[in-house]
Amino acid sequence: DVKVTQSSRYLVKRTGEKVFLECVQDMDHENMFWYRQDPGLGLRLIYFSYDVKMKEKGDIPEGYSVSREKKERFSLILESASTNQTSMYLCASSRGTATSGEAFFGQGTRLTVV
Amino acid sequence: AQTVTQSQPEMSVQEAETVTLSCTYDTSESDYYLFWYKQPPSRQMILVIRQEAYKQQNATENRFSVNFQKAAKSFSLKISDSQLGDAAMYFCAYRSRNQAGTALIFGKGTTLSVSS
Repeated sequence: DVKVTQSSRYLVKRTGEKVFLECVQDMDHENMFWYRQDPGLGLRLIYFSYDVKMKEKGDIPEGYSVSREKKERFSLILESASTNQTSMYLCASSRGTATSGEAFFGQGTRLTVV
Repeated sequence: AQTVTQSQPEMSVQEAETVTLSCTYDTSESDYYLFWYKQPPSRQMILVIRQEAYKQQNATENRFSVNFQKAAKSFSLKISDSQLGDAAMYFCAYRSRNQAGTALIFGKGTTLSVSS
């Protein structure tokens, strides 16, 4: 079974903390993504990676960075957490678009910054 | 840039009835994928159905079918014989097929409630 695993389901952090959200996939997928989900705004792309050590900014990269040292792992980093980063974070992975194109999602991390 | 629009923030349907969720998109590309994802209260995103733009035939998966109108850039989801378990948020998504490294672009979602 295809699996994308996010390290935490719920997380509470303090303003100013450095926060790491980890995502691991076991499908040998080339592409990995981080989305943020907020009510009424849908899913917005933060960053994605199409290969190891490669990254592309999405629509809302400000305040975030990413790391992809290994193919199976894609980390989202909040350099200095702020209350406006309280949100649901979804990780996904996919093969290249020459195949099915679909993305597989993790279970989401609900992050609260206080 | 491509965009996806879901104009119905909320929809409701009774069990066993049929409901249609709307989605329109904007793109200048000719080769792409369109998807409908379901997100139940568990938050796990599940692929419902996929359509490849070069295929004229509308995709069908059991009770779920789409009406794909490429010229109109419309991609609606029809759920037949609705069940209580269909209650969820539904997202329409677009993905270019032209490049190896592209992300899915999502609409804002439609919350579907199902009553007995």
